[in-house]
Amino acid sequence: GQQVMQIPQYQHVQEGEDFTTYCNSSTTLSNIQWYKQRPGGHPVFLIQLVKSGEVKKQKRLTFQFGEAKKNSSLHITATQTTDVGTYFCAGSYSGAGSYQLTFGKGTKLSVIP
Amino acid sequence: GAVVSQHPSRVICKSGTSVKIECRSLDFQATTMFWYRQFPKQSLMLMATSNEGSKATYEQGVEKDKFLINHASLTLSTLTVTSAHPEDSSFYICSAMDPSGQPQHFGDGTRLSIL
Repeated sequence: GQQVMQIPQYQHVQEGEDFTTYCNSSTTLSNIQWYKQRPGGHPVFLIQLVKSGEVKKQKRLTFQFGEAKKNSSLHITATQTTDVGTYFCAGSYSGAGSYQLTFGKGTKLSVIP
Repeated sequence: GAVVSQHPSRVICKSGTSVKIECRSLDFQATTMFWYRQFPKQSLMLMATSNEGSKATYEQGVEKDKFLINHASLTLSTLTVTSAHPEDSSFYICSAMDPSGQPQHFGDGTRLSIL
């Protein structure tokens, strides 16, 4: 079946350092979404990328979708303690069940004050 | 924004008990809802897709007789874990598909602990 690989699994950074998490699919994605889950909480939608090579920014967060629509990244500039949580990418594929999401394993971000 | 309510948030019960979890879309109609299971420190695994007025579609390896799904209205889907056992202990999360198609809006999740 389709899989979305996400690395790294864990990332510990000093407050103020940058952070990046990467997702990769073996097959072309229809779109990719990013979610943030705080400890004990539920996933919260951050953004959706649809177009090849798309780049979107939300304050200190930069999201990229690869030209081949097989990979994506989330970059956080100058991390803050409020950024702590697990970041998941989730991809959709064309065809039957195209509305279903395949989640990556997530990257757990710890920020050391 | 769109809100999905999931109830209960926490269940602790004895082995053999059946547990029903409700998922409601509060301010939009959701023809499609999803049920996920998340083990500690792991990702969300799709269990089934719940379609209003029709049978749910289960992912491979998910027992449909074990995890009963009912999507009786455009705002409510229920997941019943029948005769739950300790290995069924997990975090169950539902989501409802936005009328525009994406994104999914998640409930707060239900932490199920079977003793």
